[in-house]
Amino acid sequence: DTAVSQTPKYLVTQMGNDKSIKCEQNLGHDTMYWYKQDSKKFLKIMFSYNNKELIINETVPNRFSPKSPDKAHLNLHINSLELGDSAVYFCASSHRRGGNNEQFFGPGTRLTVL
Amino acid sequence: QKEVEQDPGPLSVPEGAIVSLNCTYSNSAFQYFMWYRQYSRKGPELLMYTYSSGNKEDGRFTAQVDKSSKYISLFIRDSQPSDSATYLCAITRAGANNLFFGTGTRLTVIP
Repeated sequence: DTAVSQTPKYLVTQMGNDKSIKCEQNLGHDTMYWYKQDSKKFLKIMFSYNNKELIINETVPNRFSPKSPDKAHLNLHINSLELGDSAVYFCASSHRRGGNNEQFFGPGTRLTVL
Repeated sequence: QKEVEQDPGPLSVPEGAIVSLNCTYSNSAFQYFMWYRQYSRKGPELLMYTYSSGNKEDGRFTAQVDKSSKYISLFIRDSQPSDSATYLCAITRAGANNLFFGTGTRLTVIP
């Protein structure tokens, strides 16, 4: 009965590979997010989707491509992985666009690029 | 200038101490203020949420907002070892699509 779930929890891969991370929420929220958390714990927004529409696309290399098949799912595909992509990636969801924007986070995916 | 600044710590206190965690922000349009707690190797979880100025209390936790100084605080009374975590402040305004997070303060409560 996890509210926001992500798979996989850990991902270790070689430079140059392509990988995907999946996210699902069962809270009935209409907005979902991807964040990157670096080793210093700074949470940086990457993307946000509202009802399958991309509404935030921060300065992120175009090797990163989000996909939202429906409003309960937001996946992140990363092409040609680089060492600097190593981080923890968090998915989050919220009830509505704007407003107080209380966000609920998944457990994170720890990506290590060798 | 970052939208929100937070002292990264680390902060170490003995069990039972009162802890004060703080953030400052730059834009007076912000009106929603949150504190998230993140345990090691876990996702952030919403701890406290405040709208506009004033105080909000929930058990041992008190969130305080001073909009005139653009300063927000989280107080933890009678701190416990289980409070050891990273605390992140987050702010936003009406109509915004995302939260602006502080860098987080790592707190250790020593038994």
